[in-house]
Amino acid sequence: SAVISQKPSRDICQRGTSLTIQCQVDSQVTMMFWYRQQPGQSLTLIATANQGSEATYESGFVIDKFPISRPNLTFSTLTVSNMSPEDSSIYLCSVEDGLAGNTIYFGEGSWLTVV
Amino acid sequence: QKEVEQDPGPLSVPEGAIVSLNCTYSNSAFQYFMWYRQYSRKGPELLMYTYSSGNKEDGRFTAQVDKSSKYISLFIRDSQPSDSATYLCAMSAGGNEKLTFGTGTRLTIIP
Repeated sequence: SAVISQKPSRDICQRGTSLTIQCQVDSQVTMMFWYRQQPGQSLTLIATANQGSEATYESGFVIDKFPISRPNLTFSTLTVSNMSPEDSSIYLCSVEDGLAGNTIYFGEGSWLTVV
Repeated sequence: QKEVEQDPGPLSVPEGAIVSLNCTYSNSAFQYFMWYRQYSRKGPELLMYTYSSGNKEDGRFTAQVDKSSKYISLFIRDSQPSDSATYLCAMSAGGNEKLTFGTGTRLTIIP
C-alpha cells in the first residue's frame, strides 16, 4: 500500500485564520480524498481531489471554505478557511487502491484545534 | 435509518478473550467490506478487506460477511491490550461509489 504523509500532524489555530494541510504520497495514485473526523464521530468525505482540475465536493462542503489543490499525482493540499471552533477535527488524506474494490488507505491525519 | 449501523460501545473485555465486532447495513448493493483499526489521534489503518460473502482470516483476525442478513463481523482471537482501539467498518458497492463508514466501536482490552 502507498505511504501517505501529512503535515502538520497537529496545530492550534486562532478563530478566523486559515490553515493549509499538505499530503504527500510515495507513489502516483489516481484517486485522492480528503476526510474529516469530528470528535467522537465517524469519517465524513469532504471532497475528491482531482489532478489538474477542480475538486469534487460532497454535499455540505464548499470550495470557499475548503479549497483543495492537486498539482500532480502524488501531492494535494486542503485549506481550512476562516476557521471556527466547529472546524476542530482530524483531517485525513486518503488514496484509493484501484485493485481492491474502493479500498482506501489513510494518512496519519492532521489534528486541528481552533480556539 | 443510517445505511450502516455499528454499536459505538465502549466494549471492554479481558485479555485473551475473543472479541466480536459487528455492523449491519441496508444497501443490498454493497459488495466490498472493510474493517479499519484506529488508535487514538491516528489515521485509520486497514485491517481486513473482503469481497462478497464468506470468511477471511488473517492471523488473529477473522472477517465474516453474510450478505443475506446484511451483517458483517470482525472476530479477534486471543485479544491483546494492543488491540485497544476504535474499529470502523466500511463498505461500498464498487465502481465509482464511495465508501460508507460505520460510526466505530471503541474497544478496550483489560490486562
